[in-house]
Amino acid sequence: DGGITQSPKYLFRKEGQNVTLSCEQNLNHDAMYWYRQDPGQGLRLIYYSQIVNDFQKGDIAEGYSVSREKKESFPLTVTSAQKNPTAFYLCASSIDFPLEQFFGPGTRLTVL
Amino acid sequence: KNEVEQSPQNLTAQEGEFITINCSYSVGISALHWLQQHPGGGIVSLFMLSSGKKKHGRLIATINIQEKHSSLHITASHPRDSAVYICAGGATNKLIFGTGTLLAVQP
Repeated sequence: DGGITQSPKYLFRKEGQNVTLSCEQNLNHDAMYWYRQDPGQGLRLIYYSQIVNDFQKGDIAEGYSVSREKKESFPLTVTSAQKNPTAFYLCASSIDFPLEQFFGPGTRLTVL
Repeated sequence: KNEVEQSPQNLTAQEGEFITINCSYSVGISALHWLQQHPGGGIVSLFMLSSGKKKHGRLIATINIQEKHSSLHITASHPRDSAVYICAGGATNKLIFGTGTLLAVQP
């Protein structure tokens, strides 16, 4: 079955630690995205990648980093520089940019 | 003011009722997306439309480009329709999301 997987579903980290969220897709999509969702707010774009080895900052990239070494994978690292990292993180992909996007199940990150 | 506004923010309906969720946008977009977010957090794309009307089962989405307005209708609503419905405008290089409408359909 084609789709997008994110792991883990729930993640707990201590303040000051970097943490990497996984996102894998087997849809053969060129474009991939990372969003952050906070209560009462719309999804906000952190980073996006239109093609392998290329990525662009979104609206709230500060404190985050990404890599796109393979078409299937777009991991997101939440660094200690991110002031409010506790949130729900969603990964998405699309055939082309920025057409209909398919979303992963999300990772809920809690920083203690 | 958000570039994409939804109304209402919360909606409670009785099973079988006809439901309408509205979305207005103030920016130029190439397409309007309707998404459904389940209680567990997963998001499913329902529609992507740039003109007119689309129908899928009991769901109907319409868009009026001149008025910059879209509506999502649910006919014969069912408790399993309970979710957050999100509209998003497809701009040049990103989607701009509304804050969502929380729908609860009671049996």
